[in-house]
Amino acid sequence: DTEVTQTPKHLVMGMTNKKSLKCEQHMGHRAMYWYKQKAKKPPELMFVYSYEKLSINESVPSRFSPECPNSSLLNLHLHALQPEDSALYLCASSPGRGVGNQPQHFGDGTRLSIL
Amino acid sequence: GENVEQHPSTLSVQEGDSAVIKCTYSDSASNYFPWYKQELGKRPQLIIDIRSNVGEKKDQRIAVTLNKTAKHFSLHITETQPEDSAVYFCAPDSIRRSYIPTFGRGTSLIVHP
Repeated sequence: DTEVTQTPKHLVMGMTNKKSLKCEQHMGHRAMYWYKQKAKKPPELMFVYSYEKLSINESVPSRFSPECPNSSLLNLHLHALQPEDSALYLCASSPGRGVGNQPQHFGDGTRLSIL
Repeated sequence: GENVEQHPSTLSVQEGDSAVIKCTYSDSASNYFPWYKQELGKRPQLIIDIRSNVGEKKDQRIAVTLNKTAKHFSLHITETQPEDSAVYFCAPDSIRRSYIPTFGRGTSLIVHP
C-alpha cells in the first residue's frame, strides 16, 4: 500500500501550459519533499517543507513553485517548463525535522513529459 | 557537502547467489544509514536501515553492516531471487545537511533465474 498519494500519475503538457502536481499523506508526518528523478539516476532533492514552512530550496528554477496548504498536502505548480524538465517527480514525507527527516516514505510519482 | 559513492554500479548474479553493494560516504557526522530499493517504474522503498551505534542489522535475507571508522556501509542480500532485481540506493544523512539524505548513484542488481 502506498501511504503517500500523488496525482496525476502521468502528465503531458506543452511548454506554455500551467499545471499542478499534488501529493497527500495521512501519516501525521510534518516534513514533505519534492524530488526529481531522471531515468537511471538517483532522486534529486528540489524542495523541503518542514511544519508547513519551506525550509530548503535546492536552487530550483522559478518555473517550479511549491505550496504546502496544510500538513497533509503538498503541491508543485508548473509553468513554462522546458523539455529537459521531463522526469519522474516524487513526493516524500517523513515524521519531522532533524533526525525525523528519515526514513522517507515515497509516493509512486508523477511521470511528466514536456512537449 | 556529503560525498556518497556506491559500488558497483551494476551487479549481475545467478539466482541463489549472494550480492553485496557498498556505499562510501565522506561526512563523519552521518548517523543514519538506509538502503532503498526501487523496482522498475515504482517508488523507492526503504528495505533496511542502521544507526551509528550499531555495527550490523539483519532482516531475513538482507543485512546491513556499518564501518564508521572507514566511513562505509554495505547491503548484503543472500539467496537472491529474481524479484530482488531492482536499483538499490544508499542514502546516508548528516547533521550538516539537517539530516536530509544524500542519495548514492544507485546499483542496478540483476538476478538471473
